[in-house]
Amino acid sequence: NAGVMQNPRHLVRRRGQEARLRCSPMKGHSHVYWYRQLPEEGLKFMVYLQKENIIDESGMPKERFSAEFPKEGPSILRIQQVVRGDSAAYFCASSPDRVGSPLHFGNGTRLTVT
Amino acid sequence: KNEVEQSPQNLTAQEGEFITINCSYSVGISALHWLQQHPGGGIVSLFMLSSGKKKHGRLIATINIQEKHSSLHITASHPRDSAVYICAASGSRLTFGEGTQLTVNP
Repeated sequence: NAGVMQNPRHLVRRRGQEARLRCSPMKGHSHVYWYRQLPEEGLKFMVYLQKENIIDESGMPKERFSAEFPKEGPSILRIQQVVRGDSAAYFCASSPDRVGSPLHFGNGTRLTVT
Repeated sequence: KNEVEQSPQNLTAQEGEFITINCSYSVGISALHWLQQHPGGGIVSLFMLSSGKKKHGRLIATINIQEKHSSLHITASHPRDSAVYICAASGSRLTFGEGTQLTVNP
């Protein structure tokens, strides 16, 4: 049973480009969470999704950021028109049900904006 | 004041020492998670607990719901335990502490 798979592990984008980060949850997990870890800072919640639904996006910046978790395929975190301040590690976690279940984390995607 | 506070921020120990990392939270929670993050950044979930005490190998986690406090203990510490340890309070979402950087020297 594969763990949470995130790709790419490292992503380099120039300012103004788009970044797409993918997360495949563990088999049987229908809840996905995205977290961001800025350099020298702690983890911060971004968004919580179930299949085809955004449950809580209160941690997402209002502009340029979007997330989806389609019926088929991985969850996608999309950042449009990236800026240097978006450089961070983005982690995905999945669980079989609501917060309160054990979480399984992916290895993260390290985004560098040049 | 952060909703989840950890102490100490940094901890250096000699191999074999008993280590304690503390976590206090001010939010209502359904569970408290302890996570480990190694250099290179991957995150591993160590414990999820809502009461009492859990043990896994040399690691022990305790929680006092009334005092809103949890501790992570490492017995007989080893250099491979060197990592960042993060506590996270599970309410409507996960709220993370800033992490404790542990370095265990041989």
